[in-house]
Amino acid sequence: AQKVTQAQTEISVVEKEDVTLDCVYETRDTTYYLFWYKQPPSGELVFLIRRNSFDEQNEISGRYSWNFQKSTSSFNFTITASQVVDSAVYFCALSVYTSGTYKYIFGTGTRLKVLA
Amino acid sequence: DAGVTQSPTHLIKTRGQQVTLRCSPKSGHDTVSWYQQALGQGPQFIFQYYEEEERQRGNFPDRFSGHQFPNYSSELNVNALLLGDSALYLCASGARTYEQYFGPGTRLTVT
Repeated sequence: AQKVTQAQTEISVVEKEDVTLDCVYETRDTTYYLFWYKQPPSGELVFLIRRNSFDEQNEISGRYSWNFQKSTSSFNFTITASQVVDSAVYFCALSVYTSGTYKYIFGTGTRLKVLA
Repeated sequence: DAGVTQSPTHLIKTRGQQVTLRCSPKSGHDTVSWYQQALGQGPQFIFQYYEEEERQRGNFPDRFSGHQFPNYSSELNVNALLLGDSALYLCASGARTYEQYFGPGTRLTVT
């Protein structure tokens, strides 16, 4: 069975602090995809990044960076110099091919509050 | 190019009633998946449709059913509504790959 764990329910930081959101996944598949989404109060899921299981290269996009480590089954997300606009719920998701189709398995999310 | 659209945006129903939610996939996509997101939780997979058939189903009762039309749009039907069905319902479309594009969701409140 597949599973995604986001142990941090809620994190509060002061603006300009760095913050890391943790994601641990479980799957026996050798091919899988990992995602991070941001969900503002409006509810729409905003895609942030995708990684496949064969690409462990870390990625940086502006203030965002991602650390993928297959050895620990983790895909952590760091926001550098956080801003109030970063306040949202962040979801980590795993996509695997099962029963002839792909489906997403989401974690329970981490609510990030950035205080001015 | 329009993305995934869902209607209605919000809906209020009474326990025991039935509800139908609608989803139009992104242009070029033939697969539609539905997810339920309860308050404070992550989205949970309900089922997926392509070629007008249900292809995979999550752990949801038979009260949840769906349909896909020849133009690839889809409906989610929930019968005998319970208070616990109150949630954000998300539709995602794809082209039978690992990547899915999510719609804005329909927020259902059952009173």
